[in-house]
Amino acid sequence: QKEVEQNSGPLSVPEGAIASLNCTYSDRVSQSFFWYRQYSGKSPELIMSIYSNGDKEDGRFTAQLNKASQYVSLLIRDSQPSDSATYLCAVNFMDSSYKLIFGSGTRLLVRP
Amino acid sequence: GAVVSQHPSRVICKSGTSVKIECRSLDFQATTMFWYRQFPKQSLMLMATSNEGSKATYEQGVEKDKFLINHASLTLSTLTVTSAHPEDSSFYICSARDHGGRGAPETQYFGPGTRLLVL
Repeated sequence: QKEVEQNSGPLSVPEGAIASLNCTYSDRVSQSFFWYRQYSGKSPELIMSIYSNGDKEDGRFTAQLNKASQYVSLLIRDSQPSDSATYLCAVNFMDSSYKLIFGSGTRLLVRP
Repeated sequence: GAVVSQHPSRVICKSGTSVKIECRSLDFQATTMFWYRQFPKQSLMLMATSNEGSKATYEQGVEKDKFLINHASLTLSTLTVTSAHPEDSSFYICSARDHGGRGAPETQYFGPGTRLLVL
């Protein structure tokens, strides 16, 4: 079992819809969680970070964390074609120093 | 804030030559930088953790003698691919940890990447 798992997609949503991206992680003590966006041919860009259970909102993005279920998600409201990219979930496990463990990413396609 | 640069952005070299890639944190100090490699349509693969003033820590399976890392200052880490071969062709991306920033100390900011093609 991979330490951080994501559905590879593609997840296809129409413009204006809510895109929901999910990530599960292994049963290790974890402290911080990140969502990165990576456009094709580019490097990852930090979108959001979340550290405690619950929701965290930033503009059209909402990160949700449920440590009991080992689950973190990213909601994108009012999806735009420019949101089409691969979204990487990353987890910092306490026993891995400052390293981030990345999922393989979910490709999101927003249809005009 | 938290800007990371990489140079060069793209390099083409002949097989057997060495290539040096620079990673700089422009507006913050980074005691720790990370080097990743990404093949087409695959996820990021961490190669090594670069620590300022000390030896890099390499991930399992990564040859330390082939991928030389130097982190001589708080704003600069370099990755040298020695005796490059076609199978080393990949997208190399560095990231830096802004331990003094507002976010969690584990937050990593990525450089734009270096695309290496070995002929």
